[in-house]
Amino acid sequence: DTAVSQTPKYLVTQMGNDKSIKCEQNLGHDTMYWYKQDSKKFLKIMFSYNNKELIINETVPNRFSPKSPDKAHLNLHINSLELGDSAVYFCASSQIAGVAGELFFGEGSRLTVL
Amino acid sequence: DAKTTQPNSMESNEEEPVHLPCNHSTISGTDYIHWYRQLPSQGPEYVIHGLTSNVNNRMASLAIAEDRKSSTLILHRATLRDAAVYYCILRSDQAGTALIFGKGTTLSVSS
Repeated sequence: DTAVSQTPKYLVTQMGNDKSIKCEQNLGHDTMYWYKQDSKKFLKIMFSYNNKELIINETVPNRFSPKSPDKAHLNLHINSLELGDSAVYFCASSQIAGVAGELFFGEGSRLTVL
Repeated sequence: DAKTTQPNSMESNEEEPVHLPCNHSTISGTDYIHWYRQLPSQGPEYVIHGLTSNVNNRMASLAIAEDRKSSTLILHRATLRDAAVYYCILRSDQAGTALIFGKGTTLSVSS
């Protein structure tokens, strides 16, 4: 069983569309994250949820909205997609929202906006 | 978050030890030193972390300088599968902190 799974793995869409990426973890962790890795390979934190509560919200456009229906799921919805949103999005989870929490990452979802 | 400085790239031969350096001169007393790596086309994976003492696990060893301003990740016998980008990250001892990734070191391993 995959610990942190993301769907879809690949997503190609047109500018202006709305799309979602789903993430599920079966590790029983309390904290989940979304990271964005752009074409220059920089990994940037976007959001973090602890027990369904938003605890980190970096400077991300309002078009990005995370949703956590339960602590095992953290979905990312993106409205009005732009060319600059093209990237690989990684979901991660950790046991606790603190220093001792090793992060487990999913395999990534590659979003291409045309 | 305090910053880290790593070489952009390093090369190694298979079966040889690899020492990946990291400078973190502005580290604070409560910052833990974490190492992650990212294999091609995969998500990052945890390697090791420590605070003051050297640490060993099945993947690697972490040597931390006495003044904590630098550390070294040691891969005892490099394999081709160890070719990856290695990230040295300082993580504050506070709830709710996330990992802040830098550029990392791209390690190439030759057979």
